[in-house]
Amino acid sequence: GAGVSQSPRYKVTKRGQDVALRCDPISGHVSLYWYRQALGQGPEFLTYFNYEAQQDKSGLPNDRFSAERPEGSISTLTIQRTEQRDSAMYRCASSPGTGGATNEKLFFGSGTQLSVL
Amino acid sequence: AQKVTQAQTEISVVEKEDVTLDCVYETRDTTYYLFWYKQPPSGELVFLIRRNSFDEQNEISGRYSWNFQKSTSSFNFTITASQVVDSAVYFCALRGGSNYKLTFGKGTLLTVNP
Repeated sequence: GAGVSQSPRYKVTKRGQDVALRCDPISGHVSLYWYRQALGQGPEFLTYFNYEAQQDKSGLPNDRFSAERPEGSISTLTIQRTEQRDSAMYRCASSPGTGGATNEKLFFGSGTQLSVL
Repeated sequence: AQKVTQAQTEISVVEKEDVTLDCVYETRDTTYYLFWYKQPPSGELVFLIRRNSFDEQNEISGRYSWNFQKSTSSFNFTITASQVVDSAVYFCALRGGSNYKLTFGKGTLLTVNP
């Protein structure tokens, strides 16, 4: 597609439910990132994929959070047993090269706004 | 550790005024990259500029200009003759060495009033 696509745009869920957030990166982009942006803050790194390999998950807050990118394209971020503190904007980004190319700019999607009631 | 500080939380100007958004960064890397992103009310993050640590030349793109001062670890962004469409949250970000993680500041909300 023309840009990074994320769905759903908004997700409202009840505490304790599981949610799955989808990211469809720009076609051909090797690197895929997930970031979380709390209200009034800048995005914070969650995890990074190089093709289908999850190379870094150091930013995932706890083991309720997981991500996958099984075929090296679409990625899913899953949050199990959601809590109110998980409420935030979840952003996906992609870039053409591998993560070692630190000069690359990231192309961000519009994000999924998650609200946990 | 990397850190980006945007001390200005909110700025409000009247259309056609010039405005400068401040960004101060911290890193131990000798090679690093600095970025500015714009987040309009619609919510997407739009790339504006990338600058590497070896290039201290200032850059101008239309009404936008960037002043990189390595001596003060600053990468400030100036909008000349601001317009209402410039209203957005602006983020400064840093990526250092071989670290692919982008560290963002907290952002500056710019409101341009007609």
